[in-house]
This record gives sequence, C-alpha cells and structure tokens, in this order.
Amino acid sequence: DTGVSQDPRHKITKRGQNVTFRCDPISEHNRLYWYRQTLGQGPEFLTYFQNEAQLEKSRLLSDRFSAERPKGSFSTLEIQRTEQGDSAMYLCASRRPGDSGELFFGEGSRLTVL
Amino acid sequence: GQNIDQPTEMTATEGAIVQINCTYQTSGFNGLFWYQQHAGEAPTFLSYNVLDGLEEKGRFSSFLSRSKGYSYLLLKELQMKDSASYLCAVMDSNYQLIWGAGTKLIIKP
Repeated sequence: DTGVSQDPRHKITKRGQNVTFRCDPISEHNRLYWYRQTLGQGPEFLTYFQNEAQLEKSRLLSDRFSAERPKGSFSTLEIQRTEQGDSAMYLCASRRPGDSGELFFGEGSRLTVL
Repeated sequence: GQNIDQPTEMTATEGAIVQINCTYQTSGFNGLFWYQQHAGEAPTFLSYNVLDGLEEKGRFSSFLSRSKGYSYLLLKELQMKDSASYLCAVMDSNYQLIWGAGTKLIIKP
C-alpha cells in the first residue's frame, strides 16, 4: 500500500453542479478525516469517520456537504449545488487505530467552481 | 476559543539555521505536530511532541514547552528544497487536530 489516494486530483465545475470526491485510506487505518484548505491557510476540519461511523461533522459545514464511508474502507465527499466559495483543495487523511499518531494525507482534490 | 499562532512568512539563507515558532491555546493537549507542505501538495509529517523538551530528527528538531503553550521547529543546514509552508497542529482533549495557518519559509541562495 503506497498511502492515501484521492480521486480526482482536479475538478472544474460550473456553479450549481454536484461533485463527488473519493478517498482510499491506508488499509489498516480505521480513522479517516476530510479537510478543506484554501491558499495561505491551514487545513479546516470537515468531518471524521472511525470505521464506517461518522463521529464528528464541523458545525461550519453546510448541509450541501455530505460524506460517507459505507464499508469502513473508502470514503466519498459530495458537494451539492456548488458555489464559487467551495473552490478549495479537499484533503483526505487517515490514521491508525488508537488516539494518538500522525495523520497521513492524500494528495488532495482541487476543486474550481466557475 | 482554540487558537494556534505562527508567523505568516520567514526568509532564510541556504546553509543557515531557522527557527519557526508556534504558540497555542487549546482545550486540552494530547500532543503537537509539525507538518511540511510544498505548494500544491499535501502536508507531510515531520515531528510529534507530547512531552516537554527537544526531539531531534536529522536536520530538523522540534521543541515543546507545555507550561508556556509554545513549540518551535528548528531547521539546520537549510537547503533550497526546504522552501515550503510549515504547519503547527495541536491535538486537543477530543483527539482532534487544531491547525495553525502555516508559516511560509523562503530560502534564498
């Protein structure tokens, strides 16, 4: 396993369209995170899964955003009715079981909403 | 509220030493991380401190003082490839990471 993978790497869409991103974490990692990052800022937490359970979701997250991890392996992040303010890098990270330990990030999915 | 502060940008010379500071105020503390992020790429893990003191790893070292809510990342023998953003993140009482905005490090020849 070479690490966390994300698809697509780049997505350009028109305002109002729906987009979906996929994340495949490191296989033995049961914890999966989604972050959003804009230029010059640190990652902003979106949501977190432990196995298939979505344990936390940012209060800042609009109801246009939804994430799933149906079998506790890969995860998807969907943004409905995209807005220009959604343009950002969407980062997925995974972590091994246990409370501590570093996050391993994927290469990210860059979204541009026109 | 929770807050992580680090300088926005720093400049240093190739071959020199640079120290990037990070101060934090969080609800609980379960460790502090430093990540490196090159432009357009994902963050990569550099170091983790949970106890006070200095952790050395090759050219990079990280220091933590929990009583002062303070950490620094020390980079020695700077190389051009060290030009990147350096992110400080603290794991809070819920084991969630609180991120700083990052310090952009520019290395000049």
